[in-house]
Amino acid sequence: TQLLEQSPQFLSIQEGENLTVYCNSSSVFSSLQWYRQEPGEGPVLLVTVVTGGEVKKLKRLTFQFGDARKDSSLHITAAQPGDTGLYLCAGEIQTGANNLFFGTGTRLTVIP
Amino acid sequence: DAGVIQSPRHEVTEMGQEVTLRCKPISGHDYLFWYRQTMMRGLELLIYFNNNVPIDDSGMPEDRFSAKMPNASFSTLKIQPSEPRDSAVYFCASSLWHPLGRLKDYGYTFGSGTRLTVV
Repeated sequence: TQLLEQSPQFLSIQEGENLTVYCNSSSVFSSLQWYRQEPGEGPVLLVTVVTGGEVKKLKRLTFQFGDARKDSSLHITAAQPGDTGLYLCAGEIQTGANNLFFGTGTRLTVIP
Repeated sequence: DAGVIQSPRHEVTEMGQEVTLRCKPISGHDYLFWYRQTMMRGLELLIYFNNNVPIDDSGMPEDRFSAKMPNASFSTLKIQPSEPRDSAVYFCASSLWHPLGRLKDYGYTFGSGTRLTVV
């Protein structure tokens, strides 16, 4: 059983469309991070959210941390082919543990 | 800094052979992690070190796997003997822990991985 479930698992959309990816758990996280992984490379950190209800924007990407700090979402506006990749959420269970739990991942393909 | 450096990038070996994967973390980072990634199981934590000391190796699949960190700038993951089911991409990552115990905003820095194929 995965601690962090992401949905959808796969997503294929046309360039210019909007999309939302979800990261859900029954556990409370002290912080949550989103990573993007491109083929042949390791995951790269996009953002960290810490406070319940927090919203962070990174150009066309909007990240939200749930009020109860159990879930998060990533919304992409006007997707571009360069957004293609594997999106991973990762949660920190408790301060001081320094052990991130990674989600199951969402594989996004943006078709030109 | 050149980032986390892993070698080799690709490794093809025969079943039963010993495989050694290498990692150089970012200078100054005090945590080092070894992960394995497959399509079926996603990203799995194998073991992690703090200041060169192994903290949690509960993710190591079995005794065939071992990891060492002889100094702050080098770590190895060894599989002996290797089996076809060990085929995966192995990642090394490093991080710097906040004095108050909270993960710094820049999170984990991953290497480019080693793609291992055991035939």
